[in-house]
Amino acid sequence: EVQLVESGGGLIQPGGSLRLSCAASGFTFSTYPMNWVRQAPGEGLEWVSFISSGGSVIYYADSVKGRFTISRDNAKNSLYLQMDSLRDEDTAVYYCTRGSGSGYWGQGTLVTVSS
Amino acid sequence: DIQMTQSPSSLSASVGDRVTITCRASQGISNYLAWFQQKPGKAPKSLIYAATSLQSGVPSKFSGSESGTVFTLTITSLQPEDFATYYCQQYNTSPFTFGQGTKLEIK
Repeated sequence: EVQLVESGGGLIQPGGSLRLSCAASGFTFSTYPMNWVRQAPGEGLEWVSFISSGGSVIYYADSVKGRFTISRDNAKNSLYLQMDSLRDEDTAVYYCTRGSGSGYWGQGTLVTVSS
Repeated sequence: DIQMTQSPSSLSASVGDRVTITCRASQGISNYLAWFQQKPGKAPKSLIYAATSLQSGVPSKFSGSESGTVFTLTITSLQPEDFATYYCQQYNTSPFTFGQGTKLEIK
């Protein structure tokens, strides 16, 4: 069974940093590209970042470019999102998804940026 | 950036009805279009990928079609568990944009 489990969310002050993790199981992690997608409270879905299966191709939404860094460790079956210079508007549930078309989603982790 | 214009933004329907939701891409995206269902407080669930392919385990009452840059999700024989919010997403060109969502409500 495919499982994606996000962790690392929490309450953080504006300007702070947070690192999200996504633990993958039930499939060959190293063969799939991965994404981070977020959803602010009461809002729609916003794609955040993409990383190819080997990590050589990376894309970011303009809203996070220069502040967020996506990475993966295929030996540990894990996906990461390093979030720096956090802003109020980064408050959201963050989901990791499998594949370019996001065929599988984790349950999400809530990030709250507030003073 | 490619804009995904989803319509309608909300829709009221009755159990047993057939409904259609449309997504229009601002430029060509080939067939790199996915549809998702989201219920309150839950993670989205993938329904359709590559515009017309049904995800494993998704009932055949859900179907996708494409005509140029216009994509549709059709749901037949609505059941209470189908009332949710639906999103489209293009994954042809970064940024991989979502539509704004369609809230399907019970009439």
